[in-house]
Amino acid sequence: GEDVEQSLFLSVREGDSSVINCTYTDSSSTYLYWYKQEPGAGLQLLTYIFSNMDMKQDQRLTVLLNKKDKHLSLRIADTQTGDSAIYFCAEWGNTGKLIFGQGTTLQVKP
Amino acid sequence: GAGVSQSPSNKVTEKGKDVELRCDPISGHTALYWYRQRLGQGLEFLIYFQGNSAPDKSGLPSDRFSAERTGGSVSTLTIQRTQQEDSAVYLCASSLVSVLAGTDTQYFGPGTRLTVL
Repeated sequence: GEDVEQSLFLSVREGDSSVINCTYTDSSSTYLYWYKQEPGAGLQLLTYIFSNMDMKQDQRLTVLLNKKDKHLSLRIADTQTGDSAIYFCAEWGNTGKLIFGQGTTLQVKP
Repeated sequence: GAGVSQSPSNKVTEKGKDVELRCDPISGHTALYWYRQRLGQGLEFLIYFQGNSAPDKSGLPSDRFSAERTGGSVSTLTIQRTQQEDSAVYLCASSLVSVLAGTDTQYFGPGTRLTVL
């Protein structure tokens, strides 16, 4: 079945870049997503990328997709303390369901 | 309201009791989704509704779980005879059009934290 894997924890200093990685198994994935979850809040869609793209940039966020290796990354430039949250990678394929990874906790130290 | 709302925000219950979790989607959204998030794990898809019908119930963990949606709006997720392993955050999301539209953004509610003692 489909599976999405992420590292569980990342710690960076304020102002540095953060890179959160994700791997997935479903080769039919059409869209891949990054969601942010702040404490006590629901998930917020940050960005998504279509599977025929290899890069998407949106302000401080850069998404890189290596379809051959089924690897997705989210780079946050100039990371701020407000970026501290759990980041979920998710993929959408032929099942019509979003399959989520277990989430990466990003800790930003001042 | 402006977003997806869920109630209650927290629910503590005793093992064996039934619980009902409620989701109010964004007005006009035809698709509604339920997910479960266990501590330290990713989101697990449970069920989705297109209007009032649920084409895919394959994610429901057992026959103790059921969900319904009425009037194309509010949905309730019912867990009968709760077990300790049901403890999790239950998240609801809604989207404007079809679940099959991959770019149709799902808007999530804040979740209901269920604790089964």
